[in-house]
Amino acid sequence: EPEVTQTPSHQVTQMGQEVILRCVPISNHLYFYWYRQILGQKVEFLVSFYNNEISEKSEIFDDQFSVERPDGSNFTLKIRSTKLEDSAMYFCASRRTSGDEQYFGPGTRLTVT
Amino acid sequence: AQSVSQHNHHVILSEAASLELGCNYSYGGTVNLFWYVQYPGQHLQLLLKYFSGDPLVKGIKGFEAEFIKSKFSFNLRKPSVQWSDTAEYFCAVNTPYGGSQGNLIFGKGTKLSVKP
Repeated sequence: EPEVTQTPSHQVTQMGQEVILRCVPISNHLYFYWYRQILGQKVEFLVSFYNNEISEKSEIFDDQFSVERPDGSNFTLKIRSTKLEDSAMYFCASRRTSGDEQYFGPGTRLTVT
Repeated sequence: AQSVSQHNHHVILSEAASLELGCNYSYGGTVNLFWYVQYPGQHLQLLLKYFSGDPLVKGIKGFEAEFIKSKFSFNLRKPSVQWSDTAEYFCAVNTPYGGSQGNLIFGKGTKLSVKP
């Protein structure tokens, strides 16, 4: 069964550094999402992406964040200048159509020191 | 704004006990409802979903959930839990219409521990 994949599984970075989290959604999916889960808290929506542009973003997704689909397969989340509070598990998800469920990747644990 | 409440933070059961995890949402319009499960060290997996139709939804691994519109609830049930059901369970909603591209609003999750 096709799966959403994410790399790396764990990223450690210093405060102020840029990080790029990578996702490969399921190949025939059209809608893409990033969520994050700070330890002990709920999974929170960050951004949705459709037709090569951001569809919706949450208050968390400020100017430090950006997303890209640089080619036909990858979907990346960039944090320009990481803060301690960006430490979280970041999940990518995709779905084929608006009537479908979202399929989640295994997540990238980001630790900002 | 939509929100999802899961009232139980941690539930501990013995094997063969029955399970019911509560989920309430706040949104006046049409919603899609989901239960996701996250086994230790694994990613979120869909247990079941409700879009429309029969409010009693059956999912994988013997789980079911009932949508009660008047109570804004979508409780998850399983008649007899197994040790392998130990996981964290997340209720989530999204809206099928409007500008939102289906982003999910999650509850805080309920950790289920099943004692063998």
